[in-house]
Amino acid sequence: GNSVTQMEGPVTLSEEAFLTINCTYTATGYPSLFWYVQYPGEGLQLLLKATKADDKGSNKGFEATYRKETTSFHLEKGSVQVSDSAVYFCALTQPRGGRALTFGSGTRLQVQP
Amino acid sequence: EPEVTQTPSHQVTQMGQEVILRCVPISNHLYFYWYRQILGQKVEFLVSFYNNEISEKSEIFDDQFSVERPDGSNFTLKIRSTKLEDSAMYFCASSGPGLAGGPSYNEQFFGPGTRLTVL
Repeated sequence: GNSVTQMEGPVTLSEEAFLTINCTYTATGYPSLFWYVQYPGEGLQLLLKATKADDKGSNKGFEATYRKETTSFHLEKGSVQVSDSAVYFCALTQPRGGRALTFGSGTRLQVQP
Repeated sequence: EPEVTQTPSHQVTQMGQEVILRCVPISNHLYFYWYRQILGQKVEFLVSFYNNEISEKSEIFDDQFSVERPDGSNFTLKIRSTKLEDSAMYFCASSGPGLAGGPSYNEQFFGPGTRLTVL
C-alpha cells in the first residue's frame, strides 16, 4: 500500500534560515505528490504539488521536486519567516479522480524572530 | 474564491449519541471526501464519494459511519453511536474539474474542519 514518511519535528529555526523538511514515499506507479500546510487553529491548505517525475512544485517561496529515483519530495525554502510557523504535511494520491490522500505524520515548524 | 465549508465548527456530544457533520463542497466538484485528525496525529482518510455512492473507504469507516449527499449541495458524515475514540477533527474535502474549467481531479480542497468532542 501507499505510505509517506516525514522527518520528526518540531523543527525550530531562526528567521531567514534555510528550511528542509524531508519526505519519502512508498507507492505503486506514479503517484501525485503534495505538501499541505496547517496553520494554528486552521484547516489544511494545499501549498504545492507535483504530478510527475522531475516536476518542481513551488508556491510562496517553498519548493519541492518529485524525485522518482529516490522516492522523495523534500520541502525547501531559502529564507523562512515567523509567519511560516505551522505544521507541514507531505501527502500522495494515485492519479485518478476520487482516490484517497495518504498523509505523512506532519512536521511542526517553529520560526523564531 | 470558492471554498469548502463545514458546520458546526465544534460539536460536543455524549458517548452513544448520534452526530451528523455537514459539509458544502465546492459547487462544480464531483468527488467528496471525509478525513479525520486525532489531536496531534496524522490526517487519516475515511471515505470518498462519487456519483452518489462510496468509491473508496478505509478500515476506520466501519458500520458506525455513513455518508450521504441529501441534496445538490450538502455532504454529510453520520456517526451512529459515538465512542470516546471518535473525538477528533473531521475534515471534508472535494475535488473535480478545476476552477478554470480544466481537469484537476486529484487536487483536494479542504474545509476548516469540525472538532468533535465525545464525553
